[in-house]
Amino acid sequence: DAKTTQPNSMESNEEEPVHLPCNHSTISGTDYIHWYRQLPSQGPEYVIHGLTSNVNNRMASLAIAEDRKSSTLILHRATLRDAAVYYCILMNTGFQKLVFGTGTRLLVSP
Amino acid sequence: DTGVSQDPRHKITKRGQNVTFRCDPISEHNRLYWYRQTLGQGPEFLTYFQNEAQLEKSRLLSDRFSAERPKGSFSTLEIQRTEQGDSAMYLCASSLAGGTGVYEQYFGPGTRLTVT
Repeated sequence: DAKTTQPNSMESNEEEPVHLPCNHSTISGTDYIHWYRQLPSQGPEYVIHGLTSNVNNRMASLAIAEDRKSSTLILHRATLRDAAVYYCILMNTGFQKLVFGTGTRLLVSP
Repeated sequence: DTGVSQDPRHKITKRGQNVTFRCDPISEHNRLYWYRQTLGQGPEFLTYFQNEAQLEKSRLLSDRFSAERPKGSFSTLEIQRTEQGDSAMYLCASSLAGGTGVYEQYFGPGTRLTVT
């Protein structure tokens, strides 16, 4: 499984944008970049995924580097509810399991 | 609520006892996954089903663990002769499947197992 590297933790203030980085230098051409988050005492929750182009949905935006060796999850206006562990995961179309690392713990202050 | 449900939410058992957990996926999802999560770690994949067929099992799934998905609907995960190292959160997820697509997984709230 291709590996991702994320900072252990990041802090933000409420209503400010948050940029969560992820490095994946060994990504293959058929690996999709997925982001999930896990709020305290809950199961993980899908956030967004992409292959090559930047993606937007109601929760976040995903910016993918041109060489695909890194990506950034963007929360446009952090809320207290966004405090969670964010996982960046590579998933190949030939495999369906998610391989979680330790993720980035996002702290949001009022 | 039409999300993934798991039962029970919490289970305390004594070492050596058998336990069984149930997962009810989103009704139209044909893939079902089991993961295990210990404190401070990300979830680890255990096994997954497509309809009633178990297609992959992790090496983490020792012979004390067995999972079933009769009729391709709900699934059960049984742990026999529990050990203290089995204490963890057991998470179930479901997704659609088909072709070469990649589909998001929807997780349940988990069953927290404590082995004393």
